[in-house]
Amino acid sequence: QVQLVQSGAEVKKPGASVKVSCKASGYTFTGYYIQWVRQAPGQGLEWMGWIDPKSGGTNYAQNFQGRVAMTRDTSIRTAYMELSRLTFDDTAVYYCASHCSATNCHNEGGYNWFDPWGQGTLVTVSS
Amino acid sequence: DIVMTQSPDSLAVSLGERATINCKSSQSVLYSSNKKNYLAWYQQKPGQPPKLLIYWASTRESGVPDRFSGSGSGTDFTLTISSLQAEDVAVYYCHQFYSTPFTFGPGTKVDVK
Repeated sequence: QVQLVQSGAEVKKPGASVKVSCKASGYTFTGYYIQWVRQAPGQGLEWMGWIDPKSGGTNYAQNFQGRVAMTRDTSIRTAYMELSRLTFDDTAVYYCASHCSATNCHNEGGYNWFDPWGQGTLVTVSS
Repeated sequence: DIVMTQSPDSLAVSLGERATINCKSSQSVLYSSNKKNYLAWYQQKPGQPPKLLIYWASTRESGVPDRFSGSGSGTDFTLTISSLQAEDVAVYYCHQFYSTPFTFGPGTKVDVK
C-alpha cells in the first residue's frame, strides 16, 4: 500500500524552527521526488520545494529560500522539511507529496503531478 | 512565475446538473517536445489533503468517476463535472507542474444549489 505518513501537529513560538517528517511506504523511495506544499487556514495551496531522495538535491521556492531545509534519510525512507524563523504567517497545514501512487507512477524528476499526498501536519505559530 | 487563475470563485449547481470550472495560466504549460500539457486538477474536501483527479490536462486518474473530465491546451483549461453528486461538494484546484515554482489556482468552491 503506497502511503506517505507525516508527523504530528506542532505548536511553536515566533522565531523558533519546526521539522516535519514524511515517511514513505509501498514504493521505491529513492525513485521519486518528494514535494512540500503548505496551506494556511482557509487559503489555497503554496508549493515550497522538492527534494530528490536519491541524490539529496533540492529546489526551493524563492519565498522560502534561506529559511527552509529539505533533507532525507534513505535508511528509514523518510523526508524532512525544516522551516526556521517562524512567524504567525507560517501557521498552516504542511503536506508532503510524491509521484508514485498505487495506480500510477510517473518519473520526470520533480515535474510531475502530485499523488499521493501525506495526511498533512498542522503547524501553529503562537506566542 | 506562472500565475494560475480560476473562475468562478464559487458556484452552486443542482444535483445532476453540470458544473464547469475554468483555469487560465499566465503562460503556456504545453511542452512542445511531447505535446503534453503540464496541468493537473485536484479535489479537496475539508480536513483532507488534495486528491488527484486529472493530469496531462485531460487524463482521468484511475478510480476517478467518469463524470469528471478535463479539457484545454496551452493556457486555457476546463474541469467539467457532468452530473453533480452530493459527494462532489469540495474545492477544486488547477496546478501547473511545467516549471518551478509550481503554482496552483486559488480554488473554486463547488456547492449544491
